[in-house]
Amino acid sequence: DSGVTQTPKHLITATGQRVTLRCSPRSGDLSVYWYQQSLDQGLQFLIQYYNGEERAKGNILERFSAQQFPDLHSELNLSSLELGDSALYFCASSDAGGSTDTQYFGPGTRLTVL
Amino acid sequence: GDSVTQMEGPVTLSEEAFLTINCTYTATGYPSLFWYVQYPGEGLQLLLKATKADDKGSNKGFEATYRKETTSFHLEKGSVQVSDSAVYFCALSDIGSARQLTFGSGTQLTVLP
Repeated sequence: DSGVTQTPKHLITATGQRVTLRCSPRSGDLSVYWYQQSLDQGLQFLIQYYNGEERAKGNILERFSAQQFPDLHSELNLSSLELGDSALYFCASSDAGGSTDTQYFGPGTRLTVL
Repeated sequence: GDSVTQMEGPVTLSEEAFLTINCTYTATGYPSLFWYVQYPGEGLQLLLKATKADDKGSNKGFEATYRKETTSFHLEKGSVQVSDSAVYFCALSDIGSARQLTFGSGTQLTVLP
């Protein structure tokens, strides 16, 4: 158990809908990263937050957004969903800015868009 | 930009065989290197890491050495077990990229009894 929790574990929805994925980092970790794992694109970095502020953006679509709250949990919002958004979405946390850059991953949310 | 090239799979071995999964990288700075493992239906688990040239990471019988001269971080294990069957990902983290992870494509390993 990495200490990173993600909910829900599975999500099935229809095209055009909006969903919210939730992540709670390990105790003490200030940084949260979101990644997408799909069969055609592999594992791709989406976005990073550090202590409530956006730190870096990767290949994140404009239809996607994220935020990190004062209690350090993070949410990834996916809107106007398309079939191609079906993937595993992972959250990871680290104490980036501290002594290590090791990221610890949650179990993921599997999103299926029908 | 940063990139990781990983040995294509799938790899099938018999129990107690020697394992090598090749990984090479391209980075503009001085990255940290990682191997993550993903068991069926689960998330990614950190297997081992190395943060500077010539460092050797090791865990659960797996080893990898950070070779700056060949920009490589090959994963090895002397004697694999059926329980090692999983997908293995090589990754790098570069402080110039806010420490986001750049992953290789993953190598599926199946170990037969």
